[in-house]
Amino acid sequence: GAGVSQSPSNKVTEKGKDVELRCDPISGHTALYWYRQSLGQGLEFLIYFQGNSAPDKSGLPSDRFSAERTGGSVSTLTIQRTQQEDSAVYLCASSSLWAGQETQYFGPGTRLLVL
Amino acid sequence: RKEVEQDPGPFNVPEGATVAFNCTYSNSASQSFFWYRQDCRKEPKLLMSVYSSGNEDGRFTAQLNRASQYISLLIRDSKLSDSATYLCAVNYVGNQFYFGTGTSLTVIP
Repeated sequence: GAGVSQSPSNKVTEKGKDVELRCDPISGHTALYWYRQSLGQGLEFLIYFQGNSAPDKSGLPSDRFSAERTGGSVSTLTIQRTQQEDSAVYLCASSSLWAGQETQYFGPGTRLLVL
Repeated sequence: RKEVEQDPGPFNVPEGATVAFNCTYSNSASQSFFWYRQDCRKEPKLLMSVYSSGNEDGRFTAQLNRASQYISLLIRDSKLSDSATYLCAVNYVGNQFYFGTGTSLTVIP
């Protein structure tokens, strides 16, 4: 079946511009996560949506970052007034609960370069 | 204190060697445990879940020690294709996943 998809796969933008990154989770998955990964670094948690609950935004690095999830499915991560330090791979993941365990699956990521 | 800690390595081992990675977690309420594999410039892919009784998948064995709050991954008969970064993850239902920073493995011919 289809996995998590993300678009665009690559994005080059100029400092100060806004960008939108899209994530299509696996159908039926109730939870959706956004992470950021800089080159050679670990995963940095950004935000987590679980069903209809209020999202856990504790990982968002500044108020320039926001995310929404419409209809419990597709999510958009928006970065306003991009800075060069925002350059990274932005990974989306979704998870399902089965037999009392959640298992998370990742999309291929969006590589963002801010010039 | 970090939720999950891993030795970053790097581990450089010859083909055919056995290598083990450990990962410690701080929250005793953690319920689910995983190992992911991440190749260079790729997304993490689920390698295996870790069950309480330990589990094996071919050359890979995962174990959980709740008393000491760590999980381990053992790779037997290492192949060149095993070269990657291995990430551990822990979770309890309804909460976010916590990932280690990853352990780099290079298998040398």
